[in-house]
Amino acid sequence: DAMVIQNPRYQVTQFGKPVTLSCSQTLNHNVMYWYQQKSSQAPKLLFHYYDKDFNNEADTPDNFQSRRPNTSFCFLDIRSPGLGDAAMYLCATSDVTNEKLFFGSGTQLSVL
Amino acid sequence: GESVGLHLPTLSVQEGDNSIINCAYSNSASDYFIWYKQESGKGPQFIIDIRSNMDKRQGQRVTVLLNKTVKHLSLQIAATQPGDSAVYFCAENHRDNYGQNFVFGPGTRLSVLP
Repeated sequence: DAMVIQNPRYQVTQFGKPVTLSCSQTLNHNVMYWYQQKSSQAPKLLFHYYDKDFNNEADTPDNFQSRRPNTSFCFLDIRSPGLGDAAMYLCATSDVTNEKLFFGSGTQLSVL
Repeated sequence: GESVGLHLPTLSVQEGDNSIINCAYSNSASDYFIWYKQESGKGPQFIIDIRSNMDKRQGQRVTVLLNKTVKHLSLQIAATQPGDSAVYFCAENHRDNYGQNFVFGPGTRLSVLP
Protein backbone atom coordinates (compact mmCIF):
# COMPACT_ATOMS: atom_id res chain seq x y z
CA ASP A 1 0.00 0.00 0.00
CA ALA A 2 1.16 3.51 -0.76
CA MET A 3 2.13 5.25 2.44
CA VAL A 4 4.47 7.43 4.47
CA ILE A 5 6.97 5.42 6.51
CA GLN A 6 9.01 6.75 9.38
CA ASN A 7 11.96 5.04 10.97
CA PRO A 8 12.64 4.36 13.69
CA ARG A 9 9.39 4.34 15.65
CA TYR A 10 11.25 5.24 18.85
CA GLN A 11 14.64 6.90 19.05
CA VAL A 12 16.71 7.55 22.14
CA THR A 13 19.71 9.84 21.97
CA GLN A 14 22.00 11.55 24.40
CA PHE A 15 22.12 15.24 25.11
CA GLY A 16 24.25 16.85 22.39
CA LYS A 17 24.64 13.70 20.29
CA PRO A 18 23.54 14.19 16.65
CA VAL A 19 20.56 12.17 15.55
CA THR A 20 18.87 11.57 12.19
CA LEU A 21 15.25 10.63 11.66
CA SER A 22 14.09 9.11 8.38
CA CYS A 23 10.99 9.36 6.26
CA SER A 24 10.12 7.64 3.01
CA GLN A 25 7.03 7.78 0.84
CA THR A 26 5.58 5.67 -1.92
CA LEU A 27 2.94 8.24 -2.87
CA ASN A 28 5.25 10.11 -5.25
CA HIS A 29 4.14 13.40 -3.69
CA ASN A 30 6.20 16.45 -4.47
CA VAL A 31 5.90 18.10 -1.04
CA MET A 32 7.35 16.62 2.16
CA TYR A 33 7.01 18.17 5.61
CA TRP A 34 8.53 17.74 9.04
CA TYR A 35 6.40 18.59 12.05
CA GLN A 36 7.37 18.60 15.71
CA GLN A 37 4.67 17.65 18.21
CA LYS A 38 5.14 17.95 21.95
CA SER A 39 2.87 16.32 24.47
CA SER A 40 -0.73 17.64 24.40
CA GLN A 41 0.14 20.17 21.71
CA ALA A 42 -0.64 20.55 18.04
CA PRO A 43 1.92 19.61 15.39
CA LYS A 44 4.22 22.51 14.60
CA LEU A 45 5.77 22.83 11.17
CA LEU A 46 9.58 22.89 11.13
CA PHE A 47 10.18 22.99 7.37
CA HIS A 48 9.05 21.54 4.10
CA TYR A 49 10.40 20.65 0.69
CA TYR A 50 8.56 21.54 -2.48
CA ASP A 51 10.40 19.17 -4.80
CA LYS A 52 14.02 20.17 -4.12
CA ASP A 53 13.19 23.63 -2.82
CA PHE A 54 13.71 23.84 0.92
CA ASN A 55 11.44 26.12 2.95
CA ASN A 56 12.35 26.77 6.55
CA GLU A 57 9.88 28.19 9.08
CA ALA A 58 11.14 31.44 10.56
CA ASP A 59 11.16 30.13 14.12
CA THR A 60 12.76 26.73 13.45
CA PRO A 61 16.05 26.57 15.39
CA ASP A 62 19.30 26.22 13.43
CA ASN A 63 19.83 22.98 15.34
CA PHE A 64 17.32 21.37 12.98
CA GLN A 65 18.34 20.58 9.43
CA SER A 66 16.80 18.54 6.66
CA ARG A 67 17.86 16.71 3.53
CA ARG A 68 15.86 15.38 0.63
CA PRO A 69 18.13 13.34 -1.64
CA ASN A 70 15.29 12.24 -3.91
CA THR A 71 11.50 12.33 -4.21
CA SER A 72 10.99 9.36 -1.91
CA PHE A 73 13.22 10.16 1.05
CA CYS A 74 13.52 13.00 3.51
CA PHE A 75 15.70 13.21 6.63
CA LEU A 76 15.56 15.32 9.76
CA ASP A 77 18.94 15.98 11.36
CA ILE A 78 19.17 17.35 14.87
CA ARG A 79 22.75 18.49 15.29
CA SER A 80 22.90 18.85 19.07
CA PRO A 81 19.72 17.62 20.71
CA GLY A 82 18.66 19.31 23.91
CA LEU A 83 16.19 18.08 26.49
CA GLY A 84 13.61 20.43 24.98
CA ASP A 85 13.82 18.62 21.66
CA ALA A 86 12.21 15.50 23.07
CA ALA A 87 8.99 15.18 21.09
CA MET A 88 7.14 13.24 18.43
CA TYR A 89 8.45 14.08 14.96
CA LEU A 90 5.95 13.67 12.18
CA CYS A 91 6.68 13.43 8.50
CA ALA A 92 3.91 14.27 6.06
CA THR A 93 3.49 14.51 2.31
CA SER A 94 1.11 16.23 -0.06
CA ASP A 95 0.65 16.74 -3.74
CA VAL A 96 -0.17 20.14 -5.16
CA THR A 97 -3.00 18.68 -7.20
CA ASN A 98 -4.58 17.05 -4.15
CA GLU A 99 -3.38 19.13 -1.18
CA LYS A 100 -4.40 16.56 1.43
CA LEU A 101 -1.67 15.94 4.04
CA PHE A 102 -0.72 12.30 4.59
CA PHE A 103 1.17 11.55 7.81
CA GLY A 104 3.53 8.84 8.84
CA SER A 105 3.27 7.17 12.25
CA GLY A 106 5.89 9.47 13.71
CA THR A 107 9.18 8.96 15.55
CA GLN A 108 9.11 9.51 19.30
CA LEU A 109 12.44 11.06 20.26
CA SER A 110 13.77 10.87 23.81
CA VAL A 111 16.83 12.85 24.89
CA LEU A 112 18.74 11.59 27.92
CA GLY B 1 -1.57 32.24 13.80
CA GLU B 2 0.33 29.25 15.07
CA SER B 3 -1.15 27.04 17.74
CA VAL B 4 0.76 27.26 20.99
CA GLY B 5 -1.77 25.87 23.44
CA LEU B 6 -0.48 23.96 26.46
CA HIS B 7 -3.85 22.79 27.74
CA LEU B 8 -5.86 20.43 25.62
CA PRO B 9 -9.63 21.03 25.84
CA THR B 10 -11.56 17.87 26.57
CA LEU B 11 -15.00 16.85 25.43
CA SER B 12 -16.70 13.93 27.15
CA VAL B 13 -19.73 12.30 25.55
CA GLN B 14 -21.81 9.23 26.20
CA GLU B 15 -21.47 6.36 23.78
CA GLY B 16 -24.18 6.70 21.15
CA ASP B 17 -24.57 10.46 21.52
CA ASN B 18 -23.49 12.95 18.89
CA SER B 19 -20.24 14.89 19.34
CA ILE B 20 -19.48 18.40 18.15
CA ILE B 21 -15.88 19.59 18.12
CA ASN B 22 -15.18 23.22 17.34
CA CYS B 23 -12.23 25.04 15.88
CA ALA B 24 -11.52 28.72 15.26
CA TYR B 25 -9.10 29.39 12.45
CA SER B 26 -6.91 32.41 12.02
CA ASN B 27 -6.44 33.27 8.36
CA SER B 28 -9.40 34.57 6.39
CA ALA B 29 -7.47 33.73 3.20
CA SER B 30 -7.31 30.01 4.03
CA ASP B 31 -9.27 28.10 1.43
CA TYR B 32 -8.89 24.48 2.45
CA PHE B 33 -9.43 22.79 5.81
CA ILE B 34 -8.89 19.29 7.14
CA TRP B 35 -9.95 17.49 10.29
CA TYR B 36 -7.52 14.94 11.68
CA LYS B 37 -7.91 12.27 14.35
CA GLN B 38 -4.86 11.36 16.38
CA GLU B 39 -4.74 8.36 18.69
CA SER B 40 -2.10 8.10 21.37
CA GLY B 41 1.36 7.43 19.95
CA LYS B 42 0.22 7.57 16.34
CA GLY B 43 0.34 10.05 13.50
CA PRO B 44 -2.70 12.17 12.59
CA GLN B 45 -5.24 10.36 10.47
CA PHE B 46 -7.32 12.17 7.83
CA ILE B 47 -11.04 12.30 8.61
CA ILE B 48 -12.67 14.80 6.27
CA ASP B 49 -11.85 17.97 4.39
CA ILE B 50 -13.71 20.98 3.06
CA ARG B 51 -12.94 23.83 0.69
CA SER B 52 -13.90 27.41 1.34
CA ASN B 53 -16.49 27.41 -1.45
CA MET B 54 -18.58 24.97 0.63
CA ASP B 55 -20.44 25.36 3.93
CA LYS B 56 -20.97 21.70 4.71
CA ARG B 57 -19.58 18.35 3.76
CA GLN B 58 -20.66 14.93 4.93
CA GLY B 59 -18.81 11.68 5.25
CA GLN B 60 -19.56 8.43 6.97
CA ARG B 61 -20.84 9.42 10.45
CA VAL B 62 -18.98 12.73 10.21
CA THR B 63 -20.01 16.18 9.03
CA VAL B 64 -17.84 19.28 8.74
CA LEU B 65 -19.39 22.75 8.86
CA LEU B 66 -17.56 25.88 7.77
CA ASN B 67 -18.58 29.40 8.74
CA LYS B 68 -16.28 31.80 6.93
CA THR B 69 -17.93 34.87 8.40
CA VAL B 70 -16.69 34.07 11.90
CA LYS B 71 -13.79 31.82 10.82
CA HIS B 72 -15.20 28.79 12.53
CA LEU B 73 -15.05 25.12 11.69
CA SER B 74 -16.86 22.26 13.40
CA LEU B 75 -16.74 18.50 13.23
CA GLN B 76 -19.86 16.53 14.06
CA ILE B 77 -19.61 12.84 14.83
CA ALA B 78 -22.88 10.91 14.85
CA ALA B 79 -23.49 8.04 17.25
CA THR B 80 -20.11 8.37 18.93
CA GLN B 81 -18.33 5.08 19.58
CA PRO B 82 -15.50 4.11 21.97
CA GLY B 83 -13.16 3.92 18.97
CA ASP B 84 -13.73 7.62 18.38
CA SER B 85 -11.80 8.48 21.54
CA ALA B 86 -8.78 10.46 20.37
CA VAL B 87 -7.48 13.98 19.93
CA TYR B 88 -9.01 15.88 17.02
CA PHE B 89 -7.20 18.67 15.19
CA CYS B 90 -8.40 21.05 12.55
CA ALA B 91 -5.82 22.24 10.04
CA GLU B 92 -6.04 25.25 7.73
CA ASN B 93 -4.07 25.67 4.56
CA HIS B 94 -2.05 28.85 4.62
CA ARG B 95 -0.69 29.60 1.20
CA ASP B 96 2.52 31.56 0.94
CA ASN B 97 5.22 32.21 -1.63
CA TYR B 98 6.60 28.73 -1.03
CA GLY B 99 3.43 26.79 -1.67
CA GLN B 100 1.15 25.56 1.04
CA ASN B 101 1.58 25.37 4.78
CA PHE B 102 -0.91 23.61 7.02
CA VAL B 103 -1.36 25.22 10.43
CA PHE B 104 -3.01 23.15 13.12
CA GLY B 105 -5.48 24.25 15.75
CA PRO B 106 -4.81 23.41 19.42
CA GLY B 107 -6.78 20.17 19.34
CA THR B 108 -9.64 18.71 21.39
CA ARG B 109 -9.49 15.45 23.30
CA LEU B 110 -12.68 13.42 22.85
CA SER B 111 -13.49 10.93 25.59
CA VAL B 112 -16.34 8.50 25.00
CA LEU B 113 -18.01 7.30 28.19
CA PRO B 114 -19.59 3.84 28.33
